Amino acid sequence: GQSLEQPSEVTAVEGAIVQINCTYQTSGFYGLSWYQQHDGGAPTFLSYNALDGLEETGRFSSFLSRSDSYGYLLLQELQMKDSASYFCAVDGSNTGKLIFGQGTTLQVKP
Amino acid sequence: NAGVTQTPKFQVLKTGQSMTLQCAQDMNHNSMYWYRQDPGMGLRLIYYSASEGTTDKGEVPNGYNVSRLNKREFSLRLESAAPSQTSVYFCAHRVRERAGELFFGEGSRLTVL
Repeated sequence: GQSLEQPSEVTAVEGAIVQINCTYQTSGFYGLSWYQQHDGGAPTFLSYNALDGLEETGRFSSFLSRSDSYGYLLLQELQMKDSASYFCAVDGSNTGKLIFGQGTTLQVKP
Repeated sequence: NAGVTQTPKFQVLKTGQSMTLQCAQDMNHNSMYWYRQDPGMGLRLIYYSASEGTTDKGEVPNGYNVSRLNKREFSLRLESAAPSQTSVYFCAHRVRERAGELFFGEGSRLTVL
């Protein structure tokens, strides 16, 4: 089976940096994705890591360590609009099965 | 809408009724998915289809059936709805070349009384 763990809530102030961790257990592994979801909305894709290392996309970066079964999403220069839920997701099979974590609610305060 | 159309957007059912959620994508992608999301919870995979003519069970398939009618359409059917199936249902599709990236529809909000 597959399981993912991420913190349920994180709070940070505007302009700060926050890191959201994700650990996973899977029988197979092809990559780790991150998604953002605002209240009442659809999840939107942020990033994907298939190999170890850091991927940067603007204010957001994502890191993967396959040997540690661990990844994180780093959000810099936080803005109020970054308040949302963030989900990690594992692609653990070659059939395209994508399993999501429970999500981390990020609250950005002024 | 990320090239995904879900219908209906809202539905109220009585226990035991049946219904079908429709999903269509206009981006010619192979893989399509159905997830459910309960309040304060993550997305749980119900069924997915890696290509036209194939479907596979996800994490929570019980009580649901799916049909991959053609490359564009992937429907989810509740044969006998139960209150535990009250949820928001999201359809998604994926481009194989950009692995890990799903495009989600706006969701279908289902209440079973």
